[in-house]
Amino acid sequence: DGGITQSPKYLFRKEGQNVTLSCEQNLNHDAMYWYRQDPGQGLRLIYYSQIVNDFQKGDIAEGYSVSREKKESFPLTVTSAQKNPTAFYLCASSIRQGPFYNEQFFGPGTRLTVL
Amino acid sequence: QKEVEQNSGPLSVPEGAIASLNCTYSDRVSQSFFWYRQYSGKSPELIMSIYSNGDKEDGRFTAQLNKASQYVSLLIRDSQPSDSATYLCAVQSGGGADGLTFGKGTHLIIQP
Repeated sequence: DGGITQSPKYLFRKEGQNVTLSCEQNLNHDAMYWYRQDPGQGLRLIYYSQIVNDFQKGDIAEGYSVSREKKESFPLTVTSAQKNPTAFYLCASSIRQGPFYNEQFFGPGTRLTVL
Repeated sequence: QKEVEQNSGPLSVPEGAIASLNCTYSDRVSQSFFWYRQYSGKSPELIMSIYSNGDKEDGRFTAQLNKASQYVSLLIRDSQPSDSATYLCAVQSGGGADGLTFGKGTHLIIQP
């Protein structure tokens, strides 16, 4: 089955720890994205990547880091510098057609709680 | 600062009626517009995309776009209880790989 997978589904972190959230897609999509959703809020963009070994900061990149070593994978690290990391983290991907990128499709999400 | 505004609701609609969801956006150069449905505790699911002025229909869903008024809407005909969810409006400035700007969503309740 083609799709976007995220792991783990739930993650608990102690203050001061770094954690890495996994995102993998087998859709052969070119671009990948990380968003964060807080209760009652819309999604906010953390980082995105159009191609391997290249990525750009979104609106709330502080305290986060990413890598894009393979087209299929775009892991997100939540560092201890992120002041309020408890949130629902969503990974998305989209395919490029010519100069344009089509709709973004989301994985199931990772719910991170800081204890 | 790009902004997308939606009425948070809840919007309560009787089963079988038409649900009308609205969204306004601030960035005049926005090119692509999307509606996502999100059930509680789940990730957003794309239900409609629209890129040019006018109406776009897909089954019971119709998206309407008016770029001059910076307004996007979603109509759901013959509303079903399974349509009860939060509907997120999302906007993209260009056709590139930039991320989407989301509204906070409208909570829709379909009353049986």
